[in-house]
Amino acid sequence: AQTVTQSQPEMSVQEAETVTLSCTYDTSESDYYLFWYKQPPSRQMILVIRQEAYKQQNATENRFSVNFQKAAKSFSLKISDSQLGDAAMYFCAYRSARSGNKLVFGAGTILRVKS
Amino acid sequence: DAGVTQSPTHLIKTRGQQVTLRCSPKSGHDTVSWYQQALGQGPQFIFQYYEEEERQRGNFPDRFSGHQFPNYSSELNVNALLLGDSALYLCASSPGLGQEQFFGPGTRLTVL
Repeated sequence: AQTVTQSQPEMSVQEAETVTLSCTYDTSESDYYLFWYKQPPSRQMILVIRQEAYKQQNATENRFSVNFQKAAKSFSLKISDSQLGDAAMYFCAYRSARSGNKLVFGAGTILRVKS
Repeated sequence: DAGVTQSPTHLIKTRGQQVTLRCSPKSGHDTVSWYQQALGQGPQFIFQYYEEEERQRGNFPDRFSGHQFPNYSSELNVNALLLGDSALYLCASSPGLGQEQFFGPGTRLTVL
């Protein structure tokens, strides 16, 4: 079974600074997708960024980028120029290319942004 | 365009009771998945519905059951409630299998 591990329960960053959230995963499959989701205090889960395992190029979405290391099974999220609105719970998630829509989530990292 | 909607927002039940939670998918979406998120934890996959059939199921007992209607909306039923069933229940919809999922705001279930 696939597992996702987020080893940082909580992180803090100063506004305008850069922060990196860590995620590792375990799978025996070669074709899969990785995601970072953001869950603000209002609870609605929002997709931040996704990465296809077959793509070597790291995904980027504006201030958000990932460092995908397939051999090491590592998938970290870098947030540049942090803003107060970035404060939320961040979840790393895995989806097999063969398992429909099932997402396997990590335990999450609370990100606090200081002004 | 309304996103994924869920009802009710909050619900309080007692042990042994039964509960039904509802989800309306985003317009154009035909696939619905349900997740259970205990306090301070990541969501756990319960099951997924597509074409009115349960297509995939997570590690949840048979007390958890569901249904998908012809209009793609879905219900999650939980029988014989336990204290451990207290959680935020999230619904996610997508335009088919293997597509990006959009989450609803969730239903907070408290079992006393």
